[in-house]
Amino acid sequence: NFMLTQPHSVSESPGKTVTISCTRSSGSIASNYVQWYQQRPGSAPTTVIYEDNQRPSGVPDRFSGSIDSSSNSASLTISGLKTEDEADYYCQSYDSSNLWVFGGGTKLTVL
Amino acid sequence: EVQLVESGGGLVKPGGSLRLSCAASGFTFSSYSMNWVRQAPGKGLEWVSSISSSSSYIYYADSVKGRFTISRDNAKNSLYLQMNSLRAEDTAVYYCAREITGTKWFDPWGQGTLVTVSS
Repeated sequence: NFMLTQPHSVSESPGKTVTISCTRSSGSIASNYVQWYQQRPGSAPTTVIYEDNQRPSGVPDRFSGSIDSSSNSASLTISGLKTEDEADYYCQSYDSSNLWVFGGGTKLTVL
Repeated sequence: EVQLVESGGGLVKPGGSLRLSCAASGFTFSSYSMNWVRQAPGKGLEWVSSISSSSSYIYYADSVKGRFTISRDNAKNSLYLQMNSLRAEDTAVYYCAREITGTKWFDPWGQGTLVTVSS
């Protein structure tokens, strides 16, 4: 079994850059793609990054994703922060044993 | 426009049953695997169950295995979740989500339906 661990919260000022990490507890982070979902209060999640670093159409290029095998983690980076980016962010991956796994979520505050 | 609309949530007593539905539109429902994901109040996302396009493959999270049953009716463009032996810890917003073909991620998600298990 593996878990995905995210920081509980991060905060940054408008216009700055923030990075949210997602660390896989066992098994290689590179063995299965990582996705990132944004969830604004009272709304359903939406995809901001899929397959480690791909952006769905309509997601601004201020959002980027990456993985780092040395730390066995994935990262979501948001540059040029806007107040509308304030939301909860969840990473998600998969394996044939654990099936679909979500991180615990990170609350991003833009202040 | 791709749309998923859940229904069937409500208040149920511990040990009771409830059946959730998800109506799909705007895409060829029969070509996609579908999933249920839940979110307890103030908590994170938890995957619940998955069903392949032809219902050949069905998976459950350990937390619901033996109590919940996922099914679909491709003729009606509908996904279902039969929930039995409900517990307080099943209280959550339940989302249906389409699985992108050939991948293991979800898009889009429905707006969710709230299930409250309480006496």
